This record gives sequence, structure tokens and C-alpha cells, in this order.
Amino acid sequence: DVQLVESGGGLVEPGRSLRLSCSVSGFTFRFYAMAWIRQAPGKGLEWVALIRNPAFGATTEYAASVKGRFTISRDDSASVAHLQMSSLKSEDTAVYYCARDSGGSSWSFDLWGQGTMVAVSP
Amino acid sequence: SYVLTQPPSVSVAPGKTARVTCAGSNIGSKSVQWYQQKPGQAPVVVISYNSGRPSGIPERISGSNSGSTATLTISRVEAGDEADYYCQVWDDSSDSHVIFGGGTKLTVL
Repeated sequence: DVQLVESGGGLVEPGRSLRLSCSVSGFTFRFYAMAWIRQAPGKGLEWVALIRNPAFGATTEYAASVKGRFTISRDDSASVAHLQMSSLKSEDTAVYYCARDSGGSSWSFDLWGQGTMVAVSP
Repeated sequence: SYVLTQPPSVSVAPGKTARVTCAGSNIGSKSVQWYQQKPGQAPVVVISYNSGRPSGIPERISGSNSGSTATLTISRVEAGDEADYYCQVWDDSSDSHVIFGGGTKLTVL
């Protein structure tokens, strides 16, 4: 089956760090760009970060709200994407989804994981 | 920064047609995606590249994009269409390149 499975969420104090992982199966990971998208409780979707596939240099982009605090990476040998989050704030509390870009000429997320919850609280 | 504006809610009776709009500056020049999200579930793309329907999405669901408004149209609405719908684009000039609209809650009366 084609699927994305997130892990690593939990309760963390403000200012601390957390690392999320997205394990994929059922498709050739290295062919696809990947993204993290979050959703605060009762709110809408907010894009967090993306990483292009190795053919495009695995370059990264970040939302202004997380730039300098979060780092997205990928391990193509293990078919895993990571999101390293540091200096966490209460406003980072959200469900974090891993998503696959479909690979076309614009960004369209055709496969999503079920999400992992991150709660930032004292 | 580029902004996408959606109505917070749309209501429609079963069997009728629902239209969800997504307004943005010259959005007609961009590629628009639409996602459906049901309670407790991850989003699912229902329209990509303005009007493309991914495999498994019924023909009742369609998209259009012109000028300053993109529209998601759901014909012969069913109870199972009740969900939140989000539009999304890529914008090179924004600090945050992937832009989502605020979402629209579709209620089936």
C-alpha cells in the first residue's frame, strides 16, 4: 500500500526541540518532493516546509513563521523525511501532516499521512 | 504576501449544486488545488491544476479558475460531501510559497 506514516509528536515545553519523522512505503521516495503541513486545533491548514527531490538538489523552503527554527531533511536510503523543530513556541501546537508532492509543474499534495500531534506547553 | 480568501461557510440542500470560491489577486494565472477534509481525517486532494480530478474523485466535483476567483463546484450534493474545503496555490513572491485559503465549511442541509 502507498502510505505515509508520521511519528515523533508529543508534549514539549516551550523553547525545547522535537524531531518528527515521516516514513513512506509503496512508492519510490527519491522521485518525490515532500512537505510538512500543520493544522492548529480548530484552525485551517498552514504549510510549514518542503524539500525537493534529489534530482533538484533536495533544496528546501520554509514558511516565514518557522524559518530559522525548523529544518526539513530527507534520507532517501531509508525513505524517510524529517522535521527538526527547535525553539518551540505555544503557537507551534498543531497536528503535523507529512505530504507528497505529485510531481507536476506546480505544488499539489496528492498523498497525506494521518498526522502527528505536537503540543507545546509548560 | 499573497492571500487566498474563502467564505467561512456554504450551505446547500441535497441534490443541489454547491459552489465554493477562492479569491486571490490574479489567481487565474496560478495553478489551484482543492482539498477536502472531513472531521478527524487528513486532507484529500479533490481538484489539482485548476480542474484536474485525481483518480477516484467523482465527476460531480469540478474546478475552474479565471481572473481573481477560483471555484470548486459540487453537483448533486450528497451528505458525504459535508466537509471543510481548502484552496491552495504556489506563490513565488511570498515569503511562504505554499499558500492555503482559510477554508470553507460545506454544510449539507
